[in-house]
Amino acid sequence: EPEVTQTPSHQVTQMGQEVILRCVPISNHLYFYWYRQILGQKVEFLVSFYNNEISEKSEIFDDQFSVERPDGSNFTLKIRSTKLEDSAMYFCASDPGLAAFNEQFFGPGTRLTVL
Amino acid sequence: SQQGEEDPQALSIQEGENATMNCSYKTSINNLQWYRQNSGRGLVHLILIRSNEREKHSGRLRVTLDTSKKSSSLLITASRAADTASYFCATVGNQGGKLIFGQGTELSVKP
Repeated sequence: EPEVTQTPSHQVTQMGQEVILRCVPISNHLYFYWYRQILGQKVEFLVSFYNNEISEKSEIFDDQFSVERPDGSNFTLKIRSTKLEDSAMYFCASDPGLAAFNEQFFGPGTRLTVL
Repeated sequence: SQQGEEDPQALSIQEGENATMNCSYKTSINNLQWYRQNSGRGLVHLILIRSNEREKHSGRLRVTLDTSKKSSSLLITASRAADTASYFCATVGNQGGKLIFGQGTELSVKP
């Protein structure tokens, strides 16, 4: 069964460093999302992406964040200068877009630790 | 605004018992979804119920939706130890596909 994959599974970085989290959505899906979950808290929406552009972003998704779909396969989330409070699990999700507002298929997540 | 607030926050039951989790939300929705998360792992979609539906079944899962009360419930019947996980409801508004998650219910099923 097709699945969303994410790499790396765990990323440790120093505060102020740039990180790129990678996702490979399910082939032929049209909508892509990033969410994050700070330890012990609920899952929060960051950004949605459709037709090669951001369709919606949350207040969390400030200038330090960017997303890209560089090659029609990968979907990346870049954090330019990480802060301690960026430590969280980051989930990528995709959606086939065949009907209005479907279920989303989530990847296993990348645990980001900022020291 | 907060969406998808679940209760209870934690639920501990014996294998074979039923588990009921509730979710409330504040704004109008297109659909409501339930997801499961095993400790430290990704989210697995369980069931989606649209705003014009009142009840839906999938295997041992039963979901109800009451749009007048802005609430939903997830019932897991004949629970198993393998059902131990966190369960989240998430709503989708009429404007777009983003999911707004609640805090989740941590379910523990003891063998």
